[in-house]
Amino acid sequence: DTGVSQDPRHKITKRGQNVTFRCDPISEHNRLYWYRQTLGQGPEFLTYFQNEAQLEKSRLLSDRFSAERPKGSFSTLEIQRTEQGDSAMYLCASSPKASGRRTDTQYFGPGTRLTVL
Amino acid sequence: AQSVTQLGSHVSVSEGALVLLRCNYSSSVPPYLFWYVQYPNQGLQLLLKYTSAATLVKGINGFEAEFKKSETSFHLTKPSAHMSDAAEYFCAVSDRLQGGGADGLTFGKGTHLIIQP
Repeated sequence: DTGVSQDPRHKITKRGQNVTFRCDPISEHNRLYWYRQTLGQGPEFLTYFQNEAQLEKSRLLSDRFSAERPKGSFSTLEIQRTEQGDSAMYLCASSPKASGRRTDTQYFGPGTRLTVL
Repeated sequence: AQSVTQLGSHVSVSEGALVLLRCNYSSSVPPYLFWYVQYPNQGLQLLLKYTSAATLVKGINGFEAEFKKSETSFHLTKPSAHMSDAAEYFCAVSDRLQGGGADGLTFGKGTHLIIQP
């Protein structure tokens, strides 16, 4: 059973540049989540997909952040015009379809560490 | 809105001693509660979860947690600490966003567990 994978593991960019991160969930998991984790803090929920539908995006930090999951498999998170405050670990998680609307166990990837210079 | 408070950003115990990591939550709905562990530069690994079944939950690596509704607590314990337990531990609550939307997790700030030889 392959776990959640993320690419790249590390990204260094200059302020103002755009960056894109990829997440491949566990096969057949239909729910996919993005989180941001800054130093010394717990992960912060950003957005969520069920299959290809983005059901929650009000938690995205600004309109510079966007996410897609076009075929209901892998997902991408893009940050436009990066700022130094965007430096953080970006985590992806997936979960199988659960009964009702409540979250089942989320399985996390290793994360992408972004450094904005 | 849901929230999680983890008392003690750092906890130090001797190898072989009892581990107790504290977690208190607030939730407007019956909660689902989770403990995750994070090793340096890695993603989060699920230790255990409470989903309204038994109040005493057993997890991996000898950890367990007890859900106490009256105290709104979900403390994590392990009878005998091992050096390999040194890591960051996060408590999380399942979040039901307004309007019944996505279930992103709300995390505490984490507790860094230090094991003294």
